[in-house]
Amino acid sequence: SQKIEQNSEALNIQEGKTATLTCNYTNYSPAYLQWYRQDPGRGPVFLLLIRENEKEKRKERLKVTFDTTLKQSLFHITASQPADSATYLCALAGANNLFFGTGTRLTVIP
Amino acid sequence: DAGITQSPRHKVTETGTPVTLRCHQTENHRYMYWYRQDPGHGLRLIHYSYGVKDTDKGEVSDGYSVSRSKTEDFLLTLESATSSQTSVYFCATRQGREVNTGELFFGEGSRLTVL
Repeated sequence: SQKIEQNSEALNIQEGKTATLTCNYTNYSPAYLQWYRQDPGRGPVFLLLIRENEKEKRKERLKVTFDTTLKQSLFHITASQPADSATYLCALAGANNLFFGTGTRLTVIP
Repeated sequence: DAGITQSPRHKVTETGTPVTLRCHQTENHRYMYWYRQDPGHGLRLIHYSYGVKDTDKGEVSDGYSVSRSKTEDFLLTLESATSSQTSVYFCATRQGREVNTGELFFGEGSRLTVL
């Protein structure tokens, strides 16, 4: 079965720096990958989708890359702000489902 | 917001009792999902629906049943709750046909504790 790993449970960075989160997967070849943000006590909120034929996708301060050879996606937040503190989830598309990673909890320190 | 309401938001129950969680949407999305979220496991799909009265199992469906009699409502039932079903349950909806490209809209979650 497919396995999805997000690089670490928690990541602390200084305000203004670039946060980089990693999503690795095995036993699977998804055509698309999505990233979600989840705040404590709330449901996940969709951020970005990237297709297998797209190397990079940007949205404001967010950038996602997708390397199907390495089976890895990188999620970057540039010029990070304390308001970016949250848990970020990657999700890979299956036939009828999205398979989610366990998430990385990002804390941006002022 | 996609107008997804879950009820109840919090519930404490005892082992062996039946529990029903309700998800109500106002967006007329065709697809609806029930996930559970547990530490170390991430979000896991329990059941999903692709239309009224059309449902199918997800990866952790044992001990759960669902029903969808109207487009806007998707019910999750635990026939006889067990402590292993203590979790946070999320309902989600999707508008488009393609699971690969359609974003999911999530409700706020229902925290269930089974004693």
